[in-house]
Order: sequence, then C-alpha cells, then structure tokens
Amino acid sequence: SAVISQKPSRDICQRGTSLTIQCQVDSQVTMMFWYRQQPGQSLTLIATANQGSEATYESGFVIDKFPISRPNLTFSTLTVSNMSPEDSSIYLCSVRTGGDTEAFFGQGTRLTVV
Amino acid sequence: SQKIEQNSEALNIQEGKTATLTCNYTNYSPAYLQWYRQDPGRGPVFLLLIRENEKEKRKERLKVTFDTTLKQSLFHITASQPADSATYLCALGGTGGFKTIFGAGTRLFVKA
Repeated sequence: SAVISQKPSRDICQRGTSLTIQCQVDSQVTMMFWYRQQPGQSLTLIATANQGSEATYESGFVIDKFPISRPNLTFSTLTVSNMSPEDSSIYLCSVRTGGDTEAFFGQGTRLTVV
Repeated sequence: SQKIEQNSEALNIQEGKTATLTCNYTNYSPAYLQWYRQDPGRGPVFLLLIRENEKEKRKERLKVTFDTTLKQSLFHITASQPADSATYLCALGGTGGFKTIFGAGTRLFVKA
C-alpha cells in the first residue's frame, strides 16, 4: 500500500494567480498521476508525472497551464497556472505500484477560483 | 471514444438489503476492472479488482461480476449498513499501459 499526503487540502484563489499542489508518498513509486474531479463528474486524468523527465499530458491539458515536477520517486507537484473560475475543481494525486494494481489517492485539493 | 456509464441517480436502500450497482462500458476492452469507494471530501479508496478472465470475485460482503460480452460489471453489497453510504466508482484498465479511466460514480444511501 501507499500513504499519500497532499496539500493544501483546499484553497480559494484569485483569478490570474497560480497554485502549486504538493503530493508526498511514503514509499518510492514508479507511477504517479494527477487527476481533476469536478462535482458529480468522473476523475479526469491530467497527466502522468515521470521521474526525471517531462510529464505526459492527456488530450486537453498542456504543460503551460499545468506544469508538473517530479524530482524523485516520492514527490510531485502540480501547478495550476493563470487560474480562471473554470479551474475550480478537486485535484487528486494518485500512485500505482504496478500495471494493474489498485490506485492510491491523496485526499485531494479543493480549489475555488474567484 | 471510450465511455463508462454508471447510474447517475442515487441508490436508496434499507439497511440489511443488498445494494447492486451497475457499470457499463463501450469502445473498450479492459484487461481488468476495479471498484472504488469515495466519501465526501476524500480521495477514492480501492475495494476490488476483477480481471477479464474472471467472472466473479468476492471480498467479505462485497461481490463483483464482470461480463465482457455484455460489457458490464455489477457490484453488490450484501447486508448493507448505513456506513456503506458513499459514492462507488467503477474504473477500467488495459494491458501494456498504466492509464485507468473512471466512471462518474453512483451515490449509495443506506437507511437505518
């Protein structure tokens, strides 16, 4: 199993600013992911955070808007840049230890952009 | 495109009854299917995984079936309790890659 600490748990931000979300895992993991979950919606994969290389982004998400760092196997950050109210959502960090094993999630960051 | 459908309407049942949740999918041939529980303000928590060559899997009061012909999974909670009230997410994954796609979930309310 893996225990994930994600912070902040929530924040209210002004439009045009940026917020960096941190994800710390209690063990080394290969696969780390960032998701977005809007109310009543499914989790949408933003990107796969790759250690030592650039993140792999899903369709509709770009590095300039959601820069990701992964300096080692236990830590990653997601920045939501130049925020607008449409970015208001829950952002979740997730890790997996193998191809088809279960995913472990942080408690999420509830972001409100005003 | 790949699509997962879970009943968007909440399921209300009486304590002690069996809750049955449905997950349907299209345009996908998953190697495995997972069920997660999500409580308000929390991240999803893994419950069960069933592979494409398995028809049924059980864990305590939970049972999952997987029909790759119908492209459907059923998730059962027997002897349901108010503590089972939560949103249950279905997720699909394939071989050769590590992406998992999630359904929007079904909200379950168990009344005492």
